[in-house]
Amino acid sequence: EDQVTQSPEALRLQEGESSSLNCSYTVSGLRGLFWYRQDPGKGPEFLFTLYSAGEEKEKERLKATLTKKESFLHITAPKPEDSATYLCASHYGQNFVFGPGTRLSVLP
Amino acid sequence: DGGITQSPKYLFRKEGQNVTLSCEQNLNHDAMYWYRQDPGQGLRLIYYSQIVNDFQKGDIAEGYSVSREKKESFPLTVTSAQKNPTAFYLCASSTSGQGARGYTFGSGTRLTVV
Repeated sequence: EDQVTQSPEALRLQEGESSSLNCSYTVSGLRGLFWYRQDPGKGPEFLFTLYSAGEEKEKERLKATLTKKESFLHITAPKPEDSATYLCASHYGQNFVFGPGTRLSVLP
Repeated sequence: DGGITQSPKYLFRKEGQNVTLSCEQNLNHDAMYWYRQDPGQGLRLIYYSQIVNDFQKGDIAEGYSVSREKKESFPLTVTSAQKNPTAFYLCASSTSGQGARGYTFGSGTRLTVV
């Protein structure tokens, strides 16, 4: 069964404390791995798309990487405004499979 | 600015009632989707439509219905047959083949059964 898991479920960091979020997928025939940010009570917003193992994308304090089985979202020196739920999704066929998300809290 | 508009933001449903959630997009996207989001679970696909007047069931279509009479609009009706409708509902759209940015999402409708 195609599925996507994310860990940890929740993560609390102090401002400036770097860490990584994990997204593991078992989808066959992956056409893309997407990362989204979701703020409470709002829809997800696009962050990155990764297509092949070894690929990396960066945006401000965030860097996404992809292997054959996992993707990581690295957060360097986070700020309180980075607090949100981060979702990953695998694209296969015509649809997506979403992970449950990691809820990140960055404390000042 | 182009985007997706969902309304209402909050909706309350009584037992046995049908309710309709609105989703409108001005991105000229061909495909539109409805997802349900529950705490601790990934987004689950309810229905999707690749072209006007055509739509397909997703993973959890039972108790829901949709229509796609216009390219811009994809309303979702939650019927009385849906036994556990309390959730956050998200509408999304994309170009054919999803494109490099995947989906564009609306801001969601929170449905509560009272």
